[in-house]
Amino acid sequence: DQQVKQNSPSLSVQEGRISILNCDYTNSMFDYFLWYKKYPAEGPTFLISISSIKDKNEDGRFTVFLNKSAKHLSLHIVPSQPGDSAVYFCAATLNYGGSQGNLIFGKGTKLSVKP
Amino acid sequence: DAGITQSPRHKVTETGTPVTLRCHQTENHRYMYWYRQDPGHGLRLIHYSYGVKDTDKGEVSDGYSVSRSKTEDFLLTLESATSSQTSVYFCATRDVGSPLHFGNGTRLTVT
Repeated sequence: DQQVKQNSPSLSVQEGRISILNCDYTNSMFDYFLWYKKYPAEGPTFLISISSIKDKNEDGRFTVFLNKSAKHLSLHIVPSQPGDSAVYFCAATLNYGGSQGNLIFGKGTKLSVKP
Repeated sequence: DAGITQSPRHKVTETGTPVTLRCHQTENHRYMYWYRQDPGHGLRLIHYSYGVKDTDKGEVSDGYSVSRSKTEDFLLTLESATSSQTSVYFCATRDVGSPLHFGNGTRLTVT
């Protein structure tokens, strides 16, 4: 059973508007969440993360929100730019600061930002 | 990522042949991972290593083995390649509490 779900395979947004990418998880023990961005023919690159002790983390145009009661997190990109067009992966783990902390990834959402 | 090199970048092989993919890191990270990416499945963990000679299985380890004899190198071996192992393979590394850093991938086609 999928522990991390990204239910929207794709999302199209106009340049300058907000992009909202969603992610749901089933394991209430997860304590650390990350977003990765992937361009074609490249490896995923780390974007932003959030610990379960917080409900929001911001880095420039990117903000991640965590709703633990709903087991839901979202990534907001404001304003969206054409260069943001990529596949975005949500990932979750528990005990990330410990010896293992393997990440469980969602299937990804392909974001297209139109000029 | 400049610190992770995967080789080869592309490979075509025949069913039943052995294949070894190599991951080399210059970051001196303790943990190394092999993932595969397939349409409709996202990134799935094959094997990982938490130190030299210390490895463990991930979610999709059947048909794969790994070895780590040095901190900087992590090898993934397909003992007898099958068409279901056609995929893009990513190596990743990290230190304790830090995000995963990925290589640029190896595209493997098994005919």
